[in-house]
Amino acid sequence: DVKVTQSSRYLVKRTGEKVFLECVQDMDHENMFWYRQDPGLGLRLIYFSYDVKMKEKGDIPEGYSVSREKKERFSLILESASTNQTSMYLCASSTPEGGRYEQYFGPGTRLTVT
Amino acid sequence: DQQVKQNSPSLSVQEGRISILNCDYTNSMFDYFLWYKKYPAEGPTFLISISSIKDKNEDGRFTVFLNKSAKHLSLHIVPSQPGDSAVYFCAEKGTGANNLFFGTGTRLTVIP
Repeated sequence: DVKVTQSSRYLVKRTGEKVFLECVQDMDHENMFWYRQDPGLGLRLIYFSYDVKMKEKGDIPEGYSVSREKKERFSLILESASTNQTSMYLCASSTPEGGRYEQYFGPGTRLTVT
Repeated sequence: DQQVKQNSPSLSVQEGRISILNCDYTNSMFDYFLWYKKYPAEGPTFLISISSIKDKNEDGRFTVFLNKSAKHLSLHIVPSQPGDSAVYFCAEKGTGANNLFFGTGTRLTVIP
């Protein structure tokens, strides 16, 4: 069964802290993604990666960075957390096989920055 | 400008009736549209998709219709069940892209 796991379900951090969100997939997928979900704004793409050590900016990369050292793991880093980064963060993975690029999502991390 | 639009933020339907969720798009160069369903505190899960070469795809109670001339697609759920209450996102797989563009979502509430 397809599985994407995220390191934490809930996280509370202080303003200015460095925050690491980890995502692991067990499907040998090439592509991995980080989104944030906010009410009324849907899923907004932060960064994605289509190969190890490769990364592409999404729609809202400011204040974030990513790391993909291994195919199965994609990390999202908040260099200096701010209150406007309080959100639900979702990781996903996909493969080009079949052409549909269907994404499989993890359960999400609810991050609160105080 | 939003590439994929879901203009109705919410929809309420009686159990047993039809739910129709709508999505409009601007990019004519796409391969697929996908629908995802999301429960609170969970990640979205894939529901159904439609290829650009089709105008209808059906899977059980779920049917997606694609109208390319109107740049519009819709998801029909018949009959609606209380367990269908969730947020529904449509997403576009553009030609040549390896990511998806998501709409803002529609919250469906099915009233028992």
